[in-house]
Amino acid sequence: GESVGLHLPTLSVQEGDNSIINCAYSNSASDYFIWYKQESGKGPQFIIDIRSNMDKRQGQRVTVLLNKTVKHLSLQIAATQPGDSAVYFCAENKAGSARQLTFGSGTQLTVLP
Amino acid sequence: DTGVSQDPRHKITKRGQNVTFRCDPISEHNRLYWYRQTLGQGPEFLTYFQNEAQLEKSRLLSDRFSAERPKGSFSTLEIQRTEQGDSAMYLCASGQGSTDTQYFGPGTRLTVL
Repeated sequence: GESVGLHLPTLSVQEGDNSIINCAYSNSASDYFIWYKQESGKGPQFIIDIRSNMDKRQGQRVTVLLNKTVKHLSLQIAATQPGDSAVYFCAENKAGSARQLTFGSGTQLTVLP
Repeated sequence: DTGVSQDPRHKITKRGQNVTFRCDPISEHNRLYWYRQTLGQGPEFLTYFQNEAQLEKSRLLSDRFSAERPKGSFSTLEIQRTEQGDSAMYLCASGQGSTDTQYFGPGTRLTVL
């Protein structure tokens, strides 16, 4: 079936380095993608989103890249900080009236001191 | 706090009991979603409301589950005759108008003994 998945379940980076979290999606009809950060015991927190008519979008310290040719999405975090340690989920919008999100299983980002 | 709120944050119940969760969306958000999240997985869509109308339900939502949004503001999710497999985090999200962004609440952690 159609799904959103992540290449790596865990990622460890040194504080101050840049982080790149990757995501593959298979639903070519998806036209909206979103990254969430989830800390332990909390709900997903919106980070950044992108529509399929864009290739790149930047936020504060974060950049999302979308490659529709290979159905790949990535989240780049600049100057990673200890507070960035969390599970990161990519999600795609499922076509339909509800526009519900389909999530991948997440990547655990650990920032090392 | 003007974000999505959920109550209770934690619920422990015995198998066979009924439980009800409440979600208060961001003010004036007309779209409301319920998701379920098990450990190590991304959230899975359960149901969607636009104002007071329940427009879509996932096949994950068995007959023991019912959701309401009577006045188009807060929503409740009830689980009847709980089973151990119902143990999960139940997340509520809301959105506004035609935008696809969904903002999540902190979730209700359900444990069925």
